[in-house]
Amino acid sequence: QKEVEQNSGPLSVPEGAIASLNCTYSDRGSQSFFWYRQYSGKSPELIMFIYSNGDKEDGRFTAQLNKASQYVSLLIRDSQPSDSATYLCAVNRHNDMRFGAGTRLTVKP
Amino acid sequence: SQTIHQWPATLVQPVGSPLSLECTVEGTSNPNLYWYRQAAGRGLQLLFYSVGIGQISSEVPQNLSASRPQDRQFILSSKKLLLSDSGFYLCAWSVSIQETQYFGPGTRLLVL
Repeated sequence: QKEVEQNSGPLSVPEGAIASLNCTYSDRGSQSFFWYRQYSGKSPELIMFIYSNGDKEDGRFTAQLNKASQYVSLLIRDSQPSDSATYLCAVNRHNDMRFGAGTRLTVKP
Repeated sequence: SQTIHQWPATLVQPVGSPLSLECTVEGTSNPNLYWYRQAAGRGLQLLFYSVGIGQISSEVPQNLSASRPQDRQFILSSKKLLLSDSGFYLCAWSVSIQETQYFGPGTRLLVL
């Protein structure tokens, strides 16, 4: 079992829709969770992080964490073509960070 | 504000040649520093991390090495490149191991 798993996609949504990106992790001791966006040919940039169970909202983005289910998700509301990118989930466990392989999102105008 | 630099941006090297990639961070002291490699269409693989000058931890045994000669400088090296060393090399920094990592612009390496 991979330490951090994401559906590779591609996930395609129409402009204005909600995009839902999912991530599961294997280590129950994981303490902090991050979502990064990576445009093609560029380096990852942080979207948001979450430490506690529940939802955390930042503009059009909402991160959801369920530690009991070992599941973290990212919702993007009112998706825009500029949101088309690969989204990386990262999990910090025992003082090291592990990244998922990413989900490729395409937002169609 | 903090800034992280990497150079060169792209590099084409023959098999068997040496490698030196440099990463520097501005605007912070005693950062944790990381080297990652991302193969085409793949996730990020942690290669090395450093919590201080001269302190290097290796995650994956290979023909690469890292050094931290100054507080905000991190260098990735190889004596002889392999074809499998091709990829996108990313340097990152964080305040501490558990906190957010911020990435540099990356170096795209092609070994022929």
